[in-house]
Amino acid sequence: AQSVTQLDSQVPVFEEAPVELRCNYSSSVSVYLFWYVQYPNQGLQLLLKYLSGSTLVKGINGFEAEFNKSQTSFHLRKPSVHISDTAEYFCAVSHNQAGTALIFGKGTTLSVSS
Amino acid sequence: NAGVMQNPRHLVRRRGQEARLRCSPVKGHSHVYWYRQLPEEGLKFMVYLQKENIIDESGMPKERFSAEFPKEGPSILRIQQVVRGDSAAYFCASSQGQTNTGELFFGEGSRLTVL
Repeated sequence: AQSVTQLDSQVPVFEEAPVELRCNYSSSVSVYLFWYVQYPNQGLQLLLKYLSGSTLVKGINGFEAEFNKSQTSFHLRKPSVHISDTAEYFCAVSHNQAGTALIFGKGTTLSVSS
Repeated sequence: NAGVMQNPRHLVRRRGQEARLRCSPVKGHSHVYWYRQLPEEGLKFMVYLQKENIIDESGMPKERFSAEFPKEGPSILRIQQVVRGDSAAYFCASSQGQTNTGELFFGEGSRLTVL
């Protein structure tokens, strides 16, 4: 079975600073990887996903993530954050097999202050 | 708004009552997923359904919880004889095809409070 570990439950940063949210996964088979964002009292929306190909994936709102198979990681980065990036971020994994649901990590709360 | 619609957004029940949460997927989507979110525990997968079929219910508690996605109408997550530990936000998501390569579209959640 696969699992996802988000190493930081809370990440406070100042506006315009860079940020990295860490995600590690475990799986015995090939996986697909996702980052979702959840704003307060809302559902989740997709930031980016890795299915295959280039290991550097670019998403919405200036975020990007890099798939590292040897380290089983899929860390999310942004070079300069805004106040509006304050939200909870979830890493998720699924098997590349039909009919499997996404498994989510516990989430990382990103708090951006001025 | 053609997104995933969940209702009610907030539901209060007393211990022992039943809770019914409804989810209308994005139009044209035939795959529905239910997740439960508890504070500081993230999203826990509960069940994956296609029209009239349960594909994966490995995350559903063995008792009191059931889900359906009928041919017509919304998907229903039903919790019988609720207990305080059932208090959580329940999120529904839908996808057009099988989720593992596609995007999941989430509703805004139903927040259940058990008194």
